[in-house]
Amino acid sequence: AQKVTQAQTEISVVEKEDVTLDCVYETRDTTYYLFWYKQPPSGELVFLIRRNSFDEQNEISGRYSWNFQKSTSSFNFTITASQVVDSAVYFCALSEAKYSSASKIIFGSGTRLSIRP
Amino acid sequence: EAQVTQNPRYLITVTGKKLTVTCSQNMNHEYMSWYRQDPGLGLRQIYYSMNVEVTDKGDVPEGYKVSRKEKRNFPLILESPSPNQTSLYFCASTSRGDTDTQYFGPGTRLTVL
Repeated sequence: AQKVTQAQTEISVVEKEDVTLDCVYETRDTTYYLFWYKQPPSGELVFLIRRNSFDEQNEISGRYSWNFQKSTSSFNFTITASQVVDSAVYFCALSEAKYSSASKIIFGSGTRLSIRP
Repeated sequence: EAQVTQNPRYLITVTGKKLTVTCSQNMNHEYMSWYRQDPGLGLRQIYYSMNVEVTDKGDVPEGYKVSRKEKRNFPLILESPSPNQTSLYFCASTSRGDTDTQYFGPGTRLTVL
């Protein structure tokens, strides 16, 4: 069965610190997709990234970076030099089927990140 | 402006009174999905659609129906709402391509009394 675990329920750091959000997944498929989403206090959902199982290259987008390691079934998300605007709940998710974002998606329980000024 | 719209944004209703939450996207996306978000249970997928007339169940489809008669619209239908369907609902559409970027609607907060 597929499963996504975000063991960190809440994280609080001081602004400008680096912070890593952990995501561990379980799947029996060889083809799958992993996602991260952000939900700021205003409540909207924002798609951050999709990674397929064949691409283990790390991804960097500004202050955000993602580390995908199949050997440990992890897809961790790091924010460098955090800012107050990064405060949000972050969800990791997994999709097993051929058509990534259109097929069944399982979400982790989320990590609430608070950045203190 | 690329967007996903949902209506209504807020709804309070009573048990058993049929309702429809509309979802519309203006990006010509083939893929659309519905999710619900509940405290302590996180986000769960209700239904998804890969194209017109092609829909399939997500994790929690019980008590819901969807239809996809045209590409831009993907309404969520609650034939006989119950209090356990009180939730925050999100619609999303997805662009196909290298990134499969998902665009979410603003959410619909539904209360069933």
